[in-house]
Amino acid sequence: SYELTQPPSVSVSPGQTARITCSGDALPKKYAYWYQQKSGQAPVLVIYEDSKRPSGIPERFSGSSSGTMATLTISGAQVEDEADYYCYSTDSSGNHRGVFGGGTKLTVL
Amino acid sequence: QVQLQESGPGLVKPSETLSLTCTVSGGSISSYYWSWIRQPPGKGLEWIGYIYYSGSTNYNPSLKSRVTISVDTSKNQFSLKLSSVTAADTAVYYCARGIFPGNPLSPYYFDYWGQGTLVTVSS
Repeated sequence: SYELTQPPSVSVSPGQTARITCSGDALPKKYAYWYQQKSGQAPVLVIYEDSKRPSGIPERFSGSSSGTMATLTISGAQVEDEADYYCYSTDSSGNHRGVFGGGTKLTVL
Repeated sequence: QVQLQESGPGLVKPSETLSLTCTVSGGSISSYYWSWIRQPPGKGLEWIGYIYYSGSTNYNPSLKSRVTISVDTSKNQFSLKLSSVTAADTAVYYCARGIFPGNPLSPYYFDYWGQGTLVTVSS
């Protein structure tokens, strides 16, 4: 089965840049999406189609993708950005089955 | 503003069937892919499957033998049934609205989520 791989944790100080990676064999053929999940809350979409930002998401959130790796970047991370982040995509077989990465805990302190 | 709300028992006995309903308000259930996602305590998100408003379904292969998702367009609701549950099925279950952007590069994804409901499997 298809897998998306993320680092379990990333830690930065406030104001620093946080980068969270997601690797998957199908990412050259399928866009990556990024969800933010704060403690006790439902996930919220922060990046879609590799690099697009939904309305209402701060500009410090950006995304990129190259080859088999997608990256979520938070420029000037704030304390309120502390959360779990999940990448999401599907494989390239056309079966349209959703796959989440294992999640990355971002600590900002 | 579209809102989704899960409902159903919070406690299910082992070997029984877990049943949840998601009620959609603020929009029609037509033309979207209504999805279920779960999250065991302290763990990551797992896609369970979706149903299109017309009734076609797609399930996670690891759960396919035990999962049924159905839709009731007259009530703007869709439902999840998971049979023969064990403690490993204890999780927060989310319902979500799925979209296919129509671009071959774009997988279907979720734009609106319910708040989630915890289902514990225990005797």
